[in-house]
Amino acid sequence: AQTIHQWPVAEIKAVGSPLSLGCTIKGKSSPNLYWYWQATGGTLQQLFYSITVGQVESVVQLNLSASRPKDDQFILSTEKLLLSHSGFYLCAWNRANTEVFFGKGTRLTVV
Amino acid sequence: GDSVTQTEGPVTVSESESLIINCTYSATSIAYPNLFWYVRYPGEGLQLLLKVITAGQKGSSRGFEATYNKETTSFHLQKASVQESDSAVYYCALGEPSGSWQLIFGSGTQLTVMP
Repeated sequence: AQTIHQWPVAEIKAVGSPLSLGCTIKGKSSPNLYWYWQATGGTLQQLFYSITVGQVESVVQLNLSASRPKDDQFILSTEKLLLSHSGFYLCAWNRANTEVFFGKGTRLTVV
Repeated sequence: GDSVTQTEGPVTVSESESLIINCTYSATSIAYPNLFWYVRYPGEGLQLLLKVITAGQKGSSRGFEATYNKETTSFHLQKASVQESDSAVYYCALGEPSGSWQLIFGSGTQLTVMP
């Protein structure tokens, strides 16, 4: 069975500090990977997607970056957090045109 | 652009009552959008509840139903008799199976079912 693991579960970070959120998918080779984000009171929106290792496409510009260093790993990061980065981050995956599966998410609070 | 509008929460109903969560969509850049209802139970990840890919068809799961109505651009979620275990956040979404597989979500509806 496929599993998706996100870390950390929650973070409280200071404005201007760096951030790294991670996501690992086990049990499925060559998945499509996605990062979604929901600001408090906002809607879930796709930030990045990756179809293959080393290739990441940006969908929304939020002064964040994403990388896919391994087939099963997707990293979201920034060197300087903004207050507006607070929210709920979800990693997701699928294969071809199948259902999209989501992780449990990371709650980020920037203070 | 593409968008989804759904019932604003929170919504509170009593067990065994009927439920409807409204969802309407606008799909200007997607010719044949797929429509979805996702649910997030407390402490769990977002999971697919049901999906419909063809206009006029109905999807159902766990006692919930939704019909893809292209004329009214709606995809309302209904259940005849809710249970306390249905308490969760429900998201309506549209998407197109393509490279980015971008899902456009509504803002979510927090449902609380009272015993």
